[in-house]
Amino acid sequence: EVQLVESGGGLVQPGGSLRLSCAASGFTFSSYWMSWVRQAPGKGLEWVANIKQDGSEKYYVDSVKGRFTISRDNAKNSLYLQMNSLRAEDTAVYYCARELELDDYGDYQYYFDYWGQGTLVTVSS
Amino acid sequence: EIVLTQSPATLSLSPGERATLSCRASQSVSSYLAWYQQKPGQAPRLLIYDASNRATGIPARFSGSGSGTDFTLTISSLEPEDFAVYYCQQRSNWPPRGFTFGPGTKVDIK
Repeated sequence: EVQLVESGGGLVQPGGSLRLSCAASGFTFSSYWMSWVRQAPGKGLEWVANIKQDGSEKYYVDSVKGRFTISRDNAKNSLYLQMNSLRAEDTAVYYCARELELDDYGDYQYYFDYWGQGTLVTVSS
Repeated sequence: EIVLTQSPATLSLSPGERATLSCRASQSVSSYLAWYQQKPGQAPRLLIYDASNRATGIPARFSGSGSGTDFTLTISSLEPEDFAVYYCQQRSNWPPRGFTFGPGTKVDIK
């Protein structure tokens, strides 16, 4: 059974830092792109960042670029999100999600087929 | 940047009724669109991918259609557990491996 379990959320002051973790099990973690997706209270879903299987490619939404760093440890089946210079607008539930890769004659498409339960990050003084 | 819009924002229906949800893309996305269901306090769940393919374990009452810029999620006969928020999603063209979600449609009990 595929499981993704996030941890590391909490209350942090503006300008502070936090590191989120996602422990993966039930599948070959090193074979998948992985993402972080967040949801502000009462709002919709926003993709934050993702990372290639071997960590060689990483992409970020513009609003977190230069402040957040995604990483992974395939030996530990774990995904991470280091969040620095946190702002009130970063307050959200953060989900880790596995990317389902589909090959349509060389045109690859990606969707999120498994999600963790989320961890709440609150940025407030 | 591809923008997804969903309508209506809220759909009020009774159990047993048919629900029709719309997602429109600002430019053609071929058939590369997914739908997710999210219930309060839960993570989203993948329902449909590539516009019309049901994900593993998704009941047949859920169906997706469309291509290009206009897509539809249909729930043929609403069950009590189907009242939730539904999001469409597509890969964004910036950043190259990013993603974009629609704002969501809430299906609530009339």
